[in-house]
Amino acid sequence: AQSVTQLGSHVSVSEGALVLLRCNYSSSVPPYLFWYVQYPNQGLQLLLKYTTGATLVKGINGFEAEFKKSETSFHLTKPSAHMSDAAEYFCAVSEAGGYNKLIFGAGTRLAVHP
Amino acid sequence: DADVTQTPRNRITKTGKRIMLECSQTKGHDRMYWYRQDPGLGLRLIYYSFDVKDINKGEISDGYSVSRQAQAKFSLSLESAIPNQTALYFCATSATNREETQYFGPGTRLLVL
Repeated sequence: AQSVTQLGSHVSVSEGALVLLRCNYSSSVPPYLFWYVQYPNQGLQLLLKYTTGATLVKGINGFEAEFKKSETSFHLTKPSAHMSDAAEYFCAVSEAGGYNKLIFGAGTRLAVHP
Repeated sequence: DADVTQTPRNRITKTGKRIMLECSQTKGHDRMYWYRQDPGLGLRLIYYSFDVKDINKGEISDGYSVSRQAQAKFSLSLESAIPNQTALYFCATSATNREETQYFGPGTRLLVL
């Protein structure tokens, strides 16, 4: 069965500091991996995704993630945090089979302080 | 206008009441999903639908039912609401393939007293 683990339910960084949000997955098939962001009182929106090809994926708002098969990881990074990055971030893996079902991690809430 | 809309956005109801949450989309997608979000648990799939004639149970379907009235509309019902169904509910849509992005509505915050 596929699963996603996000290490750290809360992460706090200073404005301008590196953001690193960790995601590890388990999958019996080549994984399709997603990062979604949820701003307060809003739905989820896609930050970036990995399906095939280049393992370093760039997304919106300066975020990127690297797929590392040997480590079963898909960590999300941003070189310099901005106050507007404060949100909850979800890592997800697309389940094997034809239904495009997503399995989500528990989420990481990012706080950015001045 | 938003591609995926949900009504109502907030709802308070009492134990035992029947309640319906509605979702509409203008993206032309065949696939639609209902999730619930609970703090510390992420999002969990309740039901999903390939098309009007295809409806499937997800991870946590007990206590819920759905109706796919048209390609663009997918409703979630709580036949007899209970307090542990208090949660944030999201509808999502996607195109067909596994790598496709799911697009989420703004959510419905439900409180069952």
